[in-house]
Amino acid sequence: AQSVTQLDSQVPVFEEAPVELRCNYSSSVSVYLFWYVQYPNQGLQLLLKYLSGSTLVKGINGFEAEFNKSQTSFHLRKPSVHISDTAEYFCAVSRGSTLGRLYFGRGTQLTVWP
Amino acid sequence: EAGVTQFPSHSVIEKGQTVTLRCDPISGHDNLYWYRRVMGKEIKFLLHFVKESKQDESGMPNNRFLAERTGGTYSTLKVQPAELEDSGVYFCASSPWGTVAGYTFGSGTRLTVV
Repeated sequence: AQSVTQLDSQVPVFEEAPVELRCNYSSSVSVYLFWYVQYPNQGLQLLLKYLSGSTLVKGINGFEAEFNKSQTSFHLRKPSVHISDTAEYFCAVSRGSTLGRLYFGRGTQLTVWP
Repeated sequence: EAGVTQFPSHSVIEKGQTVTLRCDPISGHDNLYWYRRVMGKEIKFLLHFVKESKQDESGMPNNRFLAERTGGTYSTLKVQPAELEDSGVYFCASSPWGTVAGYTFGSGTRLTVV
């Protein structure tokens, strides 16, 4: 079975500061990687995904993530956060070659302070 | 296009009662998934439909849970009888057949068993 570890359950940061949310996964096979965001009282929204190709993936709202196969990591970054980025972020993995079930991490609550 | 719709958005029931959650996927999406998040834990896969057939139900916790997908359209997830540990947020997601683009999630149903 897949295992996804989000190393930080809570990340507080001030507005306009950079942020990195960490995600590591365990897999010996090809995987697809995703970051989802859940704003308060809303569903899960896809931020970005890695399927193949360039290891640097750009998503919505200025977020990007880098796939590092040797370290089995897929950390999410944003150079300057806004208060509106306050939300819970989930890293997820699906085994390649077809998109099937997702394995999620426990989530990271990002809180942006003014 | 309309997104994935789930209802009710909230449900509070007593232990031993029955609850039915409903998910309306995006029209034309053959894949439909159910996930659950128990408070403080990761989002976990419950099952996967392809059209009306159960492709993978390995995540269903026990036989108190029954999922159906009538005619390959909407799906219901019934919990009977409900137990305290069934409390959590139940998410539904859908995707077209063969895609690797990722799912679209609904907003979830928050189930509280008291």
